[in-house]
Amino acid sequence: EPEVTQTPSHQVTQMGQEVILRCVPISNHLYFYWYRQILGQKVEFLVSFYNNEISEKSEIFDDQFSVERPDGSNFTLKIRSTKLEDSAMYFCASSVGSINYGYTFGSGTRLTVV
Amino acid sequence: SQQGEEDPQALSIQEGENATMNCSYKTSINNLQWYRQNSGRGLVHLILIRSNEREKHSGRLRVTLDTSKKSSSLLITASRAADTASYFCATDGQPDYKLSFGAGTTVTVRA
Repeated sequence: EPEVTQTPSHQVTQMGQEVILRCVPISNHLYFYWYRQILGQKVEFLVSFYNNEISEKSEIFDDQFSVERPDGSNFTLKIRSTKLEDSAMYFCASSVGSINYGYTFGSGTRLTVV
Repeated sequence: SQQGEEDPQALSIQEGENATMNCSYKTSINNLQWYRQNSGRGLVHLILIRSNEREKHSGRLRVTLDTSKKSSSLLITASRAADTASYFCATDGQPDYKLSFGAGTTVTVRA
């Protein structure tokens, strides 16, 4: 069964550093998403991406964050100048369509900012 | 916010029993979805029910949707130890289409 692949599975970074989280969505999916889950809290929407541009973003997704689809397969989330409160699980997801389709999530990247 | 809210927060049952959890939401939706998350892992899509559907089955899962009450329920029949996980409802609503998740119900199935 097709999978969404995320790398790395765990990233530890110093406060203030930049990190890039990588995702390979399912090949025939057109919509891509990033979510995050702070330990013990809700899964929060960050951003959705379609047709090579951001279609929607949350209040969390400020200038510190950016997304890119640098080639036909990868979908990346860049977090600049990381803060302690950015520590969370970051999930990438993709879907075939925008409405009435389930999302396929990756296994996540656990980001720890120290 | 159109986020779903699950009830109860936690549920502990014996293997073989049924588990029922509920979800309430606030605004109109296109569909409601249920996901499972094993500890420290990603979210797995279980079932999607559209706003014009009232009930849906998938294996041991049964989902109902009552749009007049803005609520849904997930029933897991004949539970197994492997069903131990957190279960989240997520709504795909109007006017935006992103999924919004509730806080989840943690289900523990005792052998």
